[in-house]
Amino acid sequence: DAGITQSPRHKVTETGTPVTLRCHQTENHRYMYWYRQDPGHGLRLIHYSYGVKDTDKGEVSDGYSVSRSKTEDFLLTLESATSSQTSVYFCAIRDRESYEQYFGPGTRLTVT
Amino acid sequence: GESVGLHLPTLSVQEGDNSIINCAYSNSASDYFIWYKQESGKGPQFIIDIRSNMDKRQGQRVTVLLNKTVKHLSLQIAATQPGDSAVYFCAENRDDKIIFGKGTRLHILP
Repeated sequence: DAGITQSPRHKVTETGTPVTLRCHQTENHRYMYWYRQDPGHGLRLIHYSYGVKDTDKGEVSDGYSVSRSKTEDFLLTLESATSSQTSVYFCAIRDRESYEQYFGPGTRLTVT
Repeated sequence: GESVGLHLPTLSVQEGDNSIINCAYSNSASDYFIWYKQESGKGPQFIIDIRSNMDKRQGQRVTVLLNKTVKHLSLQIAATQPGDSAVYFCAENRDDKIIFGKGTRLHILP
């Protein structure tokens, strides 16, 4: 997976609890992305980062926040998880000179 | 609203035949297009890309065609093999946001 890991890989949580997903890269790539994947919707961009402490919203950012305090880590936080946030979450990275993204293995989140 | 989409959700192709997966886009400002392959239980994998100033690009057994006039993108896979069975996504770059279409499942018939 091109030096990109996600943790946890699986999580079950209750509605209303906070959840943080971590994406870690060893490639020193500038850009990092968080997507969610649901049946019938493909991959939808939640947030992305174009550098340390530089982030921007994607298509479906409501209910999510992100932080990037260092190049290698991009955190996705659900402040108060809802059942509609049950999904598979993918992190991706890309180099500045290329639009080719490398994806992590995904995190399956279930909110009960 | 503007979106990247696909004409067919499922495509069945005989092994050995060529596959053509289509994609329509509506944002004429997009400058870069990418095709990804996703196998079951895995993250998407890059296949091939094309810049908006090109009409065609070839890779190993794959060709991407871009028709800007009708805002259409296609992925051609030559001599389709069982290992090509997957979901294929087109994606476009809009100001460093890489937006995906909904995907087409390619099913290989023996």
